[in-house]
Amino acid sequence: KQEVTQIPAALSVPEGENLVLNCSFTDSAIYNLQWFRQDPGKGLTSLLLIQSSQREQTSGRLNASLDKSSGRSTLYIAASQPGDSATYLCAVLELNNQGGKLIFGQGTELSVKP
Amino acid sequence: KAGVTQTPRYLIKTRGQQVTLSCSPISGHRSVSWYQQTPGQGLQFLFEYFSETQRNKGNFPGRFSGRQFSNSRSEMNVSTLELGDSALYLCASRGSARETQYFGPGTRLLVL
Repeated sequence: KQEVTQIPAALSVPEGENLVLNCSFTDSAIYNLQWFRQDPGKGLTSLLLIQSSQREQTSGRLNASLDKSSGRSTLYIAASQPGDSATYLCAVLELNNQGGKLIFGQGTELSVKP
Repeated sequence: KAGVTQTPRYLIKTRGQQVTLSCSPISGHRSVSWYQQTPGQGLQFLFEYFSETQRNKGNFPGRFSGRQFSNSRSEMNVSTLELGDSALYLCASRGSARETQYFGPGTRLLVL
């Protein structure tokens, strides 16, 4: 059974710092991995999608890496800003002939202090 | 392109009642999935529909059911509500499996 773990559960940093969020998964048979952002009481906003054959994806100040063999992904945020404060979730997509489902980690709650 | 929409946004029900939630996917997306989010369990997969057929189901009791219409809109129904069903229910749609899943704003259900 696939399990996704995110460390740390919470993180507080001063504005301008670079930071790394970690995600690990137990079964390497994933189709892809997505990083999401969730603001309090809101839905999920997709940040980056990495296919299982890829090693990394970049969007602006965000960079996500994927190492399937070790079951790890990281989300790097450069030059953090107070507007980056949110909960960050990683999810792996399991796909079979019955369809697909995302399996989520518990999230990292990020607070960026001005 | 309009995003995923969910209605209603908030609901208050009492134990034993039933509820129906609605989700309209992004135009052209045929896959719609439902997830339940609670503080204790996090985000958990409920089911996935594709072309009006349920393709995948999570580990939830039979009180949770859904359907998808020919226009890809989906509904989720929960019967005989329990206090533990209080949660944020999120709907997501996607094109192909390689594509991003896009989530709606969710329906917050409170069961009293």
